[in-house]
Amino acid sequence: LAKTTQPISMDSYEGQEVNITCSHNNIATNDYITWYQQFPSQGPRFIIQGYKTKVTNEVASLFIPADRKSSTLSLPRVSLSDTAVYYCLANQAGTALIFGKGTTLSVSS
Amino acid sequence: NAGVMQNPRHLVRRRGQEARLRCSPMKGHSHVYWYRQLPEEGLKFMVYLQKENIIDESGMPKERFSAEFPKEGPSILRIQQVVRGDSAAYFCASSRTSGGLKNIQYFGAGTRLSVL
Repeated sequence: LAKTTQPISMDSYEGQEVNITCSHNNIATNDYITWYQQFPSQGPRFIIQGYKTKVTNEVASLFIPADRKSSTLSLPRVSLSDTAVYYCLANQAGTALIFGKGTTLSVSS
Repeated sequence: NAGVMQNPRHLVRRRGQEARLRCSPMKGHSHVYWYRQLPEEGLKFMVYLQKENIIDESGMPKERFSAEFPKEGPSILRIQQVVRGDSAAYFCASSRTSGGLKNIQYFGAGTRLSVL
């Protein structure tokens, strides 16, 4: 199972774009890259998933270079409500997710 | 389409009692995963089940913990003779069948177990 590494914390201001980079040097061919968001006292919420290149949905964009050894979650124009812990995972279908400590994003006004 | 439903949301038990946590997966999902989150820590995998089968229980303590996902009804995580160290948030996630590479696990709101 690929191990992921991401910054422990990040600070931002409302209206800014936030990019959180995750490294997964040992990612396997069958692994997908998935990002979750977790607020205090809540379960993780799925944000976005990708395999390679770029994926975009209504919430975020995910950039994955050709070698797939890293990925970047991009949150456009963050607001105070985006303050949360963000987890990057690399896993195959039908397997347990291995969560690290995630990145604690703090958004200030 | 209702999400993953867990109940109770909060559960208080005294040491030595039993705790039963329930999880109803999303409609159309036949795979269930249980995770535990201790205070100030990340989520740790416990067990992965499909209907009537345990697929992977490598993260579950060998004693006092058991899980099931019967043909009918919710998945149950059972903790016998609880101790204070069992106090944590327990999350359930569900996914569709594992065909294909892409598989998203959707999480419930969790059950917060407090052992007095």
